[in-house]
Amino acid sequence: DADVTQTPRNRITKTGKRIMLECSQTKGHDRMYWYRQDPGLGLQLIYYSFDVKDINKGEISDGYSVSRQAQAKFSLSLESAIPNQTALYFCATSDSNRAPLHFGNGTRLTVT
Amino acid sequence: AQKITQTQPGMFVQEKEAVTLDCTYDTSDQSYGLFWYKQPSSGEMIFLIYQGSYDEQNATEGRYSLNFQKARKSANLVISASQLGDSAMYFCAMREGPFFISNFGNEKLTFGTGTRLTIIP
Repeated sequence: DADVTQTPRNRITKTGKRIMLECSQTKGHDRMYWYRQDPGLGLQLIYYSFDVKDINKGEISDGYSVSRQAQAKFSLSLESAIPNQTALYFCATSDSNRAPLHFGNGTRLTVT
Repeated sequence: AQKITQTQPGMFVQEKEAVTLDCTYDTSDQSYGLFWYKQPSSGEMIFLIYQGSYDEQNATEGRYSLNFQKARKSANLVISASQLGDSAMYFCAMREGPFFISNFGNEKLTFGTGTRLTIIP
């Protein structure tokens, strides 16, 4: 089983719909992150969390919200999806700010 | 200015040859970390190698090594004896310090735009 699991793997939704992307991890890491990947732009940080009470905005948080339900679970919501949120979304974990990120397999989201 | 610059959008290399993927970075911090990730066509992000700014030796992990030239602010990835399975996108990334405190700057991993490597049989 994967250490960092994202669900769903693929999602197609319509403009204006609310959707949630889920992430769970078995690595025991405190730090969890949501990144977005667009072609030609690398990855950009949306939100990150140190624990259930500590959630921080990243560089492109507008239009997104997150919830850290437990140390192992970190979900990303799009309150009202728009087409330019079509992207590949990654959840990642880390055990320190010196350590590499461990990524999930990604969720490919298409907003029509 | 871009924090991480990868100037090679695509590269084609013959199988079994060595390949160097370029990465230059921009930071005013003395303490920072540099990472390389591989993204195959299946989409997952795989961590390859890490170099800390204070590490005196160049990092190596199996067939991967990092040619770290601090004064030139470059952190090139070298893959020796390339294999067909090395065909993928490769991303250079940086975290800026200091790491003994935690803030947005040193939590955020800044990525370059990637290099698509294709190994030719």
